[in-house]
Amino acid sequence: RKEVEQDPGPFNVPEGATVAFNCTYSNSASQSFFWYRQDCRKEPKLLMSVYSSGNEDGRFTAQLNRASQYISLLIRDSKLSDSATYLCVVRKNTGFQKLVFGTGTRLLVSP
Amino acid sequence: NAGVTQTPKFQVLKTGQSMTLQCAQDMNHEYMSWYRQDPGMGLRLIHYSVGAGITDQGEVPNGYNVSRSTTEDFPLRLLSAAPSQTSVYFCASSSLRGGSQETQYFGPGTRLLVL
Repeated sequence: RKEVEQDPGPFNVPEGATVAFNCTYSNSASQSFFWYRQDCRKEPKLLMSVYSSGNEDGRFTAQLNRASQYISLLIRDSKLSDSATYLCVVRKNTGFQKLVFGTGTRLLVSP
Repeated sequence: NAGVTQTPKFQVLKTGQSMTLQCAQDMNHEYMSWYRQDPGMGLRLIHYSVGAGITDQGEVPNGYNVSRSTTEDFPLRLLSAAPSQTSVYFCASSSLRGGSQETQYFGPGTRLLVL
């Protein structure tokens, strides 16, 4: 079983739609959680950290459920520019900066 | 600030050749790392360093060497290239001062094809 699992998609949605991605992780002692965005043939960039109480950044909302060991990302009012691959990332509790990456969920927003 | 830079952007090697992928950062970050990204797999950690003179192995270190003689530079050496090393390689850096929420900054990547 992979340490971090994501549905690869693609998720095809029209502009203005709301879309949600989930990610599950296997290590219950995982410490920190992030969503990264990766455009085609580009490097990953941090989209947002995920906090236990849930957090919002504009149209993006991230939630963490430690009991069920999953993380979610909600995108409201999708834009064409949101088309990308979204990587779920978990920091293990051993090794300060050791990040474990999911394989990513691809989002395609169409006009 | 240039951030994290990597050279070359593309490289084609023949099996058995050696080469060095360069990585540099100008953010005075203590932590630097190398990942490889393959289709259907998440980024996997090859080697990392928490400061000049200190390196350690990640998840997939075989066939790669690293050194960290300065804070800024963290080259990755392929000793004898194999087709299985065909991949996209990303270098990343991070400060160690910000706690567990500190983010990693990635370079633009090097696409390597081993024939």
